[in-house]
Amino acid sequence: GENVEQHPSTLSVQEGDSAVIKCTYSDSASNYFPWYKQELGKGPQLIIDIRSNVGEKKDQRIAVTLNKTAKHFSLHITETQPEDSAVYFCAASSGGKSTFGDGTTLTVKP
Amino acid sequence: GAVVSQHPSWVICKSGTSVKIECRSLDFQATTMFWYRQFPKQSLMLMATSNEGSKATYEQGVEKDKFLINHASLTLSTLTVTSAHPEDSSFYICSARGTTSGSNEQFFGPGTRLTVL
Repeated sequence: GENVEQHPSTLSVQEGDSAVIKCTYSDSASNYFPWYKQELGKGPQLIIDIRSNVGEKKDQRIAVTLNKTAKHFSLHITETQPEDSAVYFCAASSGGKSTFGDGTTLTVKP
Repeated sequence: GAVVSQHPSWVICKSGTSVKIECRSLDFQATTMFWYRQFPKQSLMLMATSNEGSKATYEQGVEKDKFLINHASLTLSTLTVTSAHPEDSSFYICSARGTTSGSNEQFFGPGTRLTVL
């Protein structure tokens, strides 16, 4: 089955700095890669996603890149703000079934 | 965007009792719903996948007789934890995928915190 590894497990940045979270996956059949933000006590919220036929996608301060050959994808958050503090999960989806990474706890210090 | 609700948001029950959790897609029809369990500071673990009108597919290690899933309509799926024990205490989250052909997007509910005493 699919195996997704996510790094780092914790990340602390100063407000205004950029944050990068990386994930690797094992199943070359995976074709959909969403990123979720989960705040304490809440369900995950989709913040951005990318499909296998695209290398990069950007939405305001958030961008995702995908390298299919190397089987890795990354989340980039620029100009971080304290409200960006949360746990971020990547996922790799194949046949409609998603496998999640272990999560990254991002702390943005004001 | 698509909205998924869960009820209740939290529940406390005695050991040996059964608890039902509802998951509803509010503004779209969900052909497929997923149930996850999440322990503190851990990732989401898929328990089962349910398609409307058919039996759920359970992940390895998940007892289907203990975690009963019903997906009777395109907007409602239920998870019943039968004979709950303290080790079943966890955060249960559902997600729903719409009927759009080729869509992989999952929309998550807010989760249900289950505490078994």
